Amino acid sequence: QSALTQPASVSGSPGQSITISCTGTSSDVGDYKFVSWYQQHPGKAPKFMIYEVTNRPSGVSNRFSGSKSGNTASLTISGLQAEDEADYYCSSYISSSTWVFGGGTKVTVL
Amino acid sequence: EVQLVESGGGLVQPGGSLRLSCSASGFTFRNYWMTWVRQAPGKGLEWVANIKQDGSEKDYVDSVKGRFTISRDNPKNSLYLQMSSLRAEDTAVYFCTAVSWNAFDIWGQGTMVTVSS
Repeated sequence: QSALTQPASVSGSPGQSITISCTGTSSDVGDYKFVSWYQQHPGKAPKFMIYEVTNRPSGVSNRFSGSKSGNTASLTISGLQAEDEADYYCSSYISSSTWVFGGGTKVTVL
Repeated sequence: EVQLVESGGGLVQPGGSLRLSCSASGFTFRNYWMTWVRQAPGKGLEWVANIKQDGSEKDYVDSVKGRFTISRDNPKNSLYLQMSSLRAEDTAVYFCTAVSWNAFDIWGQGTMVTVSS
């Protein structure tokens, strides 16, 4: 149950696009389509942003998109806005109804 | 309004016990897998435990196996986490979540557990 690997921080200017990677193994990210992403502002509960690698729940901006290649999943934020400044976490189903999270990535809007 | 509200957190001594509760409203609680996720101060998220809709399946992260027990009461729309033999490393905000599409769909606001002498 090792944590997935995310960069500690990613930054970008307003209007730019940024991508956050989430690297696992062939036993988690590489083996399942059940990768999800969460946004967390300071002192708040996480917010559900992406499920099953690419799907957005109702109400989530289409500026957020997900993808996966091999053992690495990615979250792309397009048209970066000040309100996107937050921590982002990936998660993967790993087997037998268990999950693992990534270590989190702090997104800074310059 | 879809809502999860946790309660029961607090300060407990190492080796002590605590029972967390989570009250659900605004959705059909009995239809969802439910989980507990925790976040140590300044750290990332960690999945802790989950329970199937009817309570027949339960799973735990290795670090809490044998010490924590997840349970639910569907008629009361409630989820619980009984924690015993608590350690300093269990100090965290504990979030209750509902699972959809194998992801953590609905989140509560969290309850803080501090293990310290």
